[in-house]
Amino acid sequence: EVVMTQSPATLSVSPGERATLSCRASQSVNNNLAWYQQKPGQSPRLLISGASTRATGIPARFSGSGSGTEFTLTISSLQSEDFAVYYCQQHNHWPLTFGGGTKVEIK
Amino acid sequence: EVQLVESGGGLVQPGGSLRLSCAASGFTSSNYAMHWVRQAPGKGLEWVSRVSESGDITHYADSVKGRFTISRDNSKNTLSLQMNSLRAEDTAVYYCAKVGLPGGYNWFDPWGQGTLVTVSS
Repeated sequence: EVVMTQSPATLSVSPGERATLSCRASQSVNNNLAWYQQKPGQSPRLLISGASTRATGIPARFSGSGSGTEFTLTISSLQSEDFAVYYCQQHNHWPLTFGGGTKVEIK
Repeated sequence: EVQLVESGGGLVQPGGSLRLSCAASGFTSSNYAMHWVRQAPGKGLEWVSRVSESGDITHYADSVKGRFTISRDNSKNTLSLQMNSLRAEDTAVYYCAKVGLPGGYNWFDPWGQGTLVTVSS
């Protein structure tokens, strides 16, 4: 099983600042990596697929990068609605696996 | 608009069974593989199962293999998850999710609102 490790577990950021979230795979997943955002009481929402392709309707301040085992989600200027938990997910190997999540909270 | 609506969750005793359903609308369901993903209270996401577009190929997480069965009825645009021999650790919100693109792309877009399964005596 491919283990996905996200860091940090919690990120405290002020509105308007940049946030950088990391996701590491225990073996190469090529670019088969997705990012999701989940707000309290809501279902997850797709942000990024293919490591770097924004989903429909996702603002340009969200960007994804990386390939192989190291991936990054960057939020260029945090808005109030961006405070949430973010998960990465690999879909290169069975079973599909998620990272443990990074909670982005208001500093 | 694509919509996924789960139902069938509830309280069940350990060892019991439950059948979840997911009603799909707004897209041609036979063109897309479908998945179940769960989230235990206060925890992260765990992939559970996938069924292919036609329903003939399935995948399961080791934690549910042999106990859960995924199926679909494309004529009714419905996805199901039959859960047997339930354990306390199966307690979670269960989400159905559509794959983002037809073919072998197993990312999830969108997700349903989820249905809560509680396994407790």
